[in-house]
Amino acid sequence: DAMVIQNPRYQVTQFGKPVTLSCSQTLNHNVMYWYQQKSSQAPKLLFHYYDKDFNNEADTPDNFQSRRPNTSFCFLDIRSPGLGDAAMYLCATSRTGESNQPQHFGDGTRLSIL
Amino acid sequence: GQNIDQPTEMTATEGAIVQINCTYQTSGFNGLFWYQQHAGEAPTFLSYNVLDGLEEKGRFSSFLSRSKGYSYLLLKELQMKDSASYLCAVLDSNYQLIWGAGTKLIIKP
Repeated sequence: DAMVIQNPRYQVTQFGKPVTLSCSQTLNHNVMYWYQQKSSQAPKLLFHYYDKDFNNEADTPDNFQSRRPNTSFCFLDIRSPGLGDAAMYLCATSRTGESNQPQHFGDGTRLSIL
Repeated sequence: GQNIDQPTEMTATEGAIVQINCTYQTSGFNGLFWYQQHAGEAPTFLSYNVLDGLEEKGRFSSFLSRSKGYSYLLLKELQMKDSASYLCAVLDSNYQLIWGAGTKLIIKP
């Protein structure tokens, strides 16, 4: 059974049209992460939540926002997508975010911009 | 700056053994992870090392030397399904995961 679920798997949007990607987890993990990954590159951390505590990476564009209304759900909002935002977006969770707790990933949402 | 280095691509033969190296320079160290990522899919956890030495898990083993800032992932009895990218990631002193760009492993029959 999938434990970190991302919807949709594929998302197409128009240049400048807001889009929301969703992630849910059944693991009851404290920490949720959003990554952006482009082809043949390392995943790039956009932000993470430790419970309700939001942590934004310094180089995450203002165009990207996130919400975590409860433990199970986390959303990534892209306010005005540009062509450079086409990528795979990965949601991950970990129990505590420390030491030997691996991150568990969803299947990702591949975002295309027309 | 923080840096993880891995070879971009490696090729190996089905049934053989391959070693994928990773060197790192990070602000502190709280462990090193190896993940497997098939094309178009999410990374899946393979191993975690925080102490020096070899951790064995079936066909996969991972080695760490903290003094050298070095790790390797050893894959034995290679199967075609092992064709994937293998990502090395280090947990730094702030418990941030620093990722390498991954090594694309191509298995040939």
